[in-house]
Amino acid sequence: QVSLKESGPGILQPFQTLSLTCSFSGFSLGTSNMGVGWIRQTSGKGLEYLATIWWDDDKYFNPSLNSRLTVSKDTSNNQAFLKITSVDTADTGTYYCTQCYNNHGWFAYWGQGTLVTVSS
Amino acid sequence: DIQMTQSPASLSASLGETVTIECRASEDIYNGLAWYQQKPGKSPQLLIYNANSLHTGVPSRFSGSGSGTQYSLKINSLQSEDVASYFCQQYYDYTFGAGTKLELK
Repeated sequence: QVSLKESGPGILQPFQTLSLTCSFSGFSLGTSNMGVGWIRQTSGKGLEYLATIWWDDDKYFNPSLNSRLTVSKDTSNNQAFLKITSVDTADTGTYYCTQCYNNHGWFAYWGQGTLVTVSS
Repeated sequence: DIQMTQSPASLSASLGETVTIECRASEDIYNGLAWYQQKPGKSPQLLIYNANSLHTGVPSRFSGSGSGTQYSLKINSLQSEDVASYFCQQYYDYTFGAGTKLELK
């Protein structure tokens, strides 16, 4: 069965770079049409889509955050990564990774989420 | 950007009651809509996709309907375990609604 789990620093300071890891099982980013998406939930904006990385290394970003986001993957180890540069307090929230399937616009499988706090 | 307006923001209902939550898109989204349930401290769980298709394992008291710009989620015969927040999400740029918090009366 599909399972995902996020990990991250927990707390970081303004202007630092946030690095998150999604470790998953039950599917592979080496399989056609598979992807890993990132979604966050903040008090300010609620649920907000961030980015997706696909099996063929194609990437899609939320245009409002595009310049700050980087996504990558390690197919052999079933991991995906998200980086957000120059964080501020508005980036405080819970970050989720999800399984994505090409031409499916919904998110059927979510990780448990990891809480990120940006504070000086 | 396609905006999603979800209503109501909160809702109080009795056990056994039928509840309806609505989402309106700023333009036609051609049934490209999903509904999620989120309980406190948990990740969102998919209920409905393609506006009216029930996700595997979701109780049949949940149903989705709508077309064009107007969509709704209906919960028949409300159960105590349905107390949660509910969100809609459109497929075109993955925007979510602001959510509806459902409580028991």
